[in-house]
Amino acid sequence: QVQLQESGPGLVKPSQTLSLTCAVSGASITSGSSPWNWLRQSAEKGLVWIGRIYSGGTTTYNPSLKSRVTMTLDKSKNQVSLKLTSVTAADTAVYYCARAGGGLIMPFFDPWGQGTLVTVSS
Amino acid sequence: EVVMTQSPAILSVSPGEGATLSCRASQSVSSNLAWYQQKPGQAPRLLIYATSTRATGIPVRFSGSGSGTDFTLTISSLQSEDFALYFCQQYNNWPSFGPGTKVEIK
Repeated sequence: QVQLQESGPGLVKPSQTLSLTCAVSGASITSGSSPWNWLRQSAEKGLVWIGRIYSGGTTTYNPSLKSRVTMTLDKSKNQVSLKLTSVTAADTAVYYCARAGGGLIMPFFDPWGQGTLVTVSS
Repeated sequence: EVVMTQSPAILSVSPGEGATLSCRASQSVSSNLAWYQQKPGQAPRLLIYATSTRATGIPVRFSGSGSGTDFTLTISSLQSEDFALYFCQQYNNWPSFGPGTKVEIK
């Protein structure tokens, strides 16, 4: 079965770049039609979809975050990466990676990684 | 953006009783609606997709219904492991989630 594990710094300074990776086991990130997604969860904003990346590298980002987000695939490590630039305290959240469980145009999510807490603070 | 709302915010139920959770979309999402369960310190777990299809391994006591803008998750007889936070999510447009309903022990 597919398993996902997020990792990265738990503390990022304001204005810097947040960088996270999602290690995937049980599936190749470069095969299949289900895209890999990033989401985040905070008390203030709830669950928010950040975007997705397909096995071929095509991306779709949430319009509200698009100007600051980049997702990439590391085929050699079977990992999916997220970069979010110019972070502020509002970007403090638990970040999840998740596979698309289905959906014709936009996805629902299954399974999810366990999540990683990122705090933005000086 | 499709705004999702859920009611009630908190639902107090005795074990063995049934529970009905509501989810409303600000515009029609057709049947593109999913439900998730989240326990403290854990990631959300998919329960239902396409309004009424149970995900793999989900017990039959969980059922979903609705269409358009109004949806319901029903838990027929609450077990101890069902006390948790429940979210709905639409995927007819850019994915968006409701704020959640906490099901707590009465």
